[in-house]
Amino acid sequence: GDSVTQMEGPVTLSEEAFLTINCTYTATGYPSLFWYVQYPGEGLQLLLKATKADDKGSNKGFEATYRKETTSFHLEKGSVQVSDSAVYFCALSLYNQGGKLIFGQGTELSVKP
Amino acid sequence: NAGVTQTPKFRILKIGQSMTLQCAQDMNHNYMYWYRQDPGMGLKLIYYSVGAGITDKGEVPNGYNVSRSTTEDFPLRLELAAPSQTSVYFCASTPEGSGANVLTFGAGSRLTVL
Repeated sequence: GDSVTQMEGPVTLSEEAFLTINCTYTATGYPSLFWYVQYPGEGLQLLLKATKADDKGSNKGFEATYRKETTSFHLEKGSVQVSDSAVYFCALSLYNQGGKLIFGQGTELSVKP
Repeated sequence: NAGVTQTPKFRILKIGQSMTLQCAQDMNHNYMYWYRQDPGMGLKLIYYSVGAGITDKGEVPNGYNVSRSTTEDFPLRLELAAPSQTSVYFCASTPEGSGANVLTFGAGSRLTVL
């Protein structure tokens, strides 16, 4: 079935370090791909998305490129800040599936000053 | 513009009790969803609705019921609470279900069953 796999956390980085959170997917069709972020005590909010192969989503210094050949959507940021500490979820959604999101297990990021 | 509002934020139930988690959105979204979030497990879809009067099961529907009498409201009912239902519950909505639409999430309802 359709699924999303993320690298396990927690990930602990120092401020200004480079961030990569790996995400791969399995899907029967051509999904849209998303990264959602959950700050402590809050609900999820969209960080970025890509709807077709080779699209790059970007927001707040984060980037992810939709790689169909490797079925991946890795999240990257060149220089993390303490305020980036959160849980990051990779997710996919398939056309004509009622907009349902299939989530990875989430990766907790902790950034130390 | 409140977005998606969930109540209550926290609740403790005893085994066998019943309760309803409320979800309301003011964005005139047709599609609404209930997810549960367990530690290290991501979010799992419980039920969803594509419009008033239409609901369907998600991945983990057992022990839950939903109704959608209006576009705005999508309550989730737990009939006989069990410890396995201890979780954080998120309601979400989106205008339509093309697959590319972004979901707007509520702040969550943390439920503990003892």
